[in-house]
Amino acid sequence: DTGVSQDPRHKITKRGQNVTFRCDPISEHNRLYWYRQTLGQGPEFLTYFQNEAQLEKSRLLSDRFSAERPKGSFSTLEIQRTEQGDSAMYLCASSFTGGSSYGYTFGSGTRLTVV
Amino acid sequence: KNEVEQSPQNLTAQEGEFITINCSYSVGISALHWLQQHPGGGIVSLFMLSSGKKKHGRLIATINIQEKHSSLHITASHPRDSAVYICAVRSQGAQKLVFGQGTRLTINP
Repeated sequence: DTGVSQDPRHKITKRGQNVTFRCDPISEHNRLYWYRQTLGQGPEFLTYFQNEAQLEKSRLLSDRFSAERPKGSFSTLEIQRTEQGDSAMYLCASSFTGGSSYGYTFGSGTRLTVV
Repeated sequence: KNEVEQSPQNLTAQEGEFITINCSYSVGISALHWLQQHPGGGIVSLFMLSSGKKKHGRLIATINIQEKHSSLHITASHPRDSAVYICAVRSQGAQKLVFGQGTRLTINP
């Protein structure tokens, strides 16, 4: 297993376009998280899944954002009608809830630039 | 006031110096994470703590639950330690992490 993979690494899009990002977690990990990080700030929570169920969504996740994890494995994050304020690094992380282990593994992120 | 505060925000030191980065938080937590982020964005988990102290190579992390405070120490610092170090906490009963704003560390040769 090569860790948490995110695709693409970089995305430049025009304002108003839709974009979709993918995250492949570590295969044994049942929890998957999406975070957003703007320049100079720490990441902020967007949403998380346990298996295929989306258990929590941040108020940051407006109606233009949707996330899925259809089979409890990979996840997609879609942003519709992108705005310049959506420009950020989108980070995915996964973890396993077993025993006392809550260690997180992060992906390398998808950097979105909306022009 | 943010739930997680780090200090300093920026730190520049010479190679070989002992480095301390501090993290204070305001909520009851079940775990605290120290993370390292290099330019380009990828985040690496360094430590997860719920009490006491952990050591890995030249890195040491401590936590004082009563004082709601944690420190990350780097001994014999090296230019390759230059990165942003982020403290994040998981509140009791929650799954998500709440992050500090990060400390940008630069180690000069």
